[in-house]
Amino acid sequence: SQTIHQWPATLVQPVGSPLSLECTVEGTSNPNLYWYRQAAGRGLQLLFYSVGIGQISSEVPQNLSASRPQDRQFILSSKKLLLSDSGFYLCAWSLPSPGGTEAFFGQGTRLTVV
Amino acid sequence: AQKVTQAQTEISVVEKEDVTLDCVYETRDTTYYLFWYKQPPSGELVFLIRRNSFDEQNEISGRYSWNFQKSTSSFNFTITASQVVDSAVYFCALSEALYGGSQGNLIFGKGTKLSVKP
Repeated sequence: SQTIHQWPATLVQPVGSPLSLECTVEGTSNPNLYWYRQAAGRGLQLLFYSVGIGQISSEVPQNLSASRPQDRQFILSSKKLLLSDSGFYLCAWSLPSPGGTEAFFGQGTRLTVV
Repeated sequence: AQKVTQAQTEISVVEKEDVTLDCVYETRDTTYYLFWYKQPPSGELVFLIRRNSFDEQNEISGRYSWNFQKSTSSFNFTITASQVVDSAVYFCALSEALYGGSQGNLIFGKGTKLSVKP
């Protein structure tokens, strides 16, 4: 069966510090991978998605970047965090498909920038 | 453009009551998919159901049921005989079927927070 691992679960970082959140998927090959952010009291916003190694699409211009160095590894990064980067970050995967497949989510990382 | 609206921000019910969560969507495509997810206090999103635009049959799974009405662009979710464990934020989502290598990503509503009190 497929599983998705995301870490760390919580993170407190000072403004201006770098960020690296990691997500790995097991039990499937060539998944589509996603990073979502959920700000307090709001819905989920798609930040990045990837359909293959090295292929990253950004949905929202921002202070963050994503990379996919391996088939089942997706990393969310920032060189310098802003206060507005605080939120709940969720990694997800889905089967490679043009659409209509459900996404399965990791347990999320709660990031607080202070 | 795609859009999902969940007009109910918060709902509070007493255990054993039935509750319906509303979802209205907008899309220009004739082929699309609708989803419901549950987010318990732990934060992880749990997939509940997927429905494609060609299948308007209502679905029932235990105490959960879904009513898909294309005529009103709605995909409502009903919990029968609610329980305290149903307390969570529920998200409705939409995905378009894109072809030629494009990816149909999930567009989420803002969620409805359901509180079930004993």
